[in-house]
Amino acid sequence: QQPVQSPQAVILREGEDAVINCSSSKALYSVHWYRQKHGEAPVFLMILLKGGEQKGHEKISASFNEKKQQSSLYLTASQLSYSGTYFCGTEMGVYGGSQGNLIFGKGTKLSVKP
Amino acid sequence: NAGVTQTPKFQVLKTGQSMTLQCAQDMNHNSMYWYRQDPGMGLRLIYYSASEGTTDKGEVPNGYNVSRLNKREFSLRLESAAPSQTSVYFCASSEGHEIYEQYFGPGTRLTVT
Repeated sequence: QQPVQSPQAVILREGEDAVINCSSSKALYSVHWYRQKHGEAPVFLMILLKGGEQKGHEKISASFNEKKQQSSLYLTASQLSYSGTYFCGTEMGVYGGSQGNLIFGKGTKLSVKP
Repeated sequence: NAGVTQTPKFQVLKTGQSMTLQCAQDMNHNSMYWYRQDPGMGLRLIYYSASEGTTDKGEVPNGYNVSRLNKREFSLRLESAAPSQTSVYFCASSEGHEIYEQYFGPGTRLTVT
């Protein structure tokens, strides 16, 4: 049931764009995205809910394809501060969620170089 | 506001010992969670509490117990620690459980020898 993230790692130069994907074999109710810097706690980026509702930071964008059971996180004009490991957390459910019971992917390590 | 606090920050246990990890939040959140994070495995949910008075198992509950002491506090207990429980433990809280972000505490690094 663990969602699969791709790529596992990516190296960018400042200003370049990146896409991180998250796919599940189960029907999804919501997808949550978090970023974690080394030695720190994960920090919220975005929530995408079945039906189209979203909540997140202004400079981060993401998509949620319910039929394909996958989500993508778009990082544009990357900055050094974007470096870290990105996790997607998925909440299963066809008609409703599971009260925040998230299953996280293994993460995508993003490194932004000057 | 301190947000989510966890104690202790570091702990070393011998196999078979017991301990309780403490978590508290001052944001008046309804939902609280316990995760463990192992290298290459991502975050795995141990237990969660959708609201005060309720607790439910997550993905990896075996070997753990939890108590939602009140709205602020959610503790995680290891009754008989095993080396497989060596991990970093994160507590998190959220206002609700749908379109609400989770706020994570700083983590507890636990080593079981």
